[in-house]
Amino acid sequence: GDQVEQSPSALSLHEGTSSALRCNFTTTTRSVQWFRQNSRGSLINLFYLASGTKENGRLKSAFDSKELYSTLHIRDAQLEDSGTYFCAAASNNNAGAKLTFGGGTRLTVRP
Amino acid sequence: DMKVTQMPRYLIKRMGENVLLECGQDMSHETMYWYRQDPGLGLQLIYISYDVDSNSEGDIPKGYRVSRKKREHFSLILDSAKTNQTSVYFCASSGQIYAEQFFGPGTRLTVL
Repeated sequence: GDQVEQSPSALSLHEGTSSALRCNFTTTTRSVQWFRQNSRGSLINLFYLASGTKENGRLKSAFDSKELYSTLHIRDAQLEDSGTYFCAAASNNNAGAKLTFGGGTRLTVRP
Repeated sequence: DMKVTQMPRYLIKRMGENVLLECGQDMSHETMYWYRQDPGLGLQLIYISYDVDSNSEGDIPKGYRVSRKKREHFSLILDSAKTNQTSVYFCASSGQIYAEQFFGPGTRLTVL
């Protein structure tokens, strides 16, 4: 079935540093969403992309539908960025309108 | 304020009992979803509803059924709950299929 491979599975950053998360898709994907799951378990929408790039403050995401990957860049990491980040791919076939989630990246930002 | 709500937020049931999880949205979205999330994993799709009384199975529908009688409400029902249905259940909605999905806060269900 459809697979979403997310890396790294865990990441530790010092405040003020930057890094990138990546998702690789095994099949054609119509769109991708990025979420942050906070300590209370809530899923916070970060980005929805059908193509190209989007930026919101210190976060920037890109989606290359031909090369089957998406990235999430975090710039100048802050303590409140800690949490688990998920990417999710929307199916581009007759399987239905579902999101297939990656396994998540657990981000810890340290002082 | 557009949002997806879920009730209850926490629920403890005994094996064999019936469970009703409720979801509401105030965005007039056509499509609604039920997912479950198990520890250390992403979400898995249980059911999709494309509109009132128009529901389809997702990837893991066994042991669940759904009901959608009004566009703004979508219910997940467990008839005779099992211990392996202990999980966190998320409801989501989107304006159209393949559009951005918005998630509720989740219901943590424990089946003893």
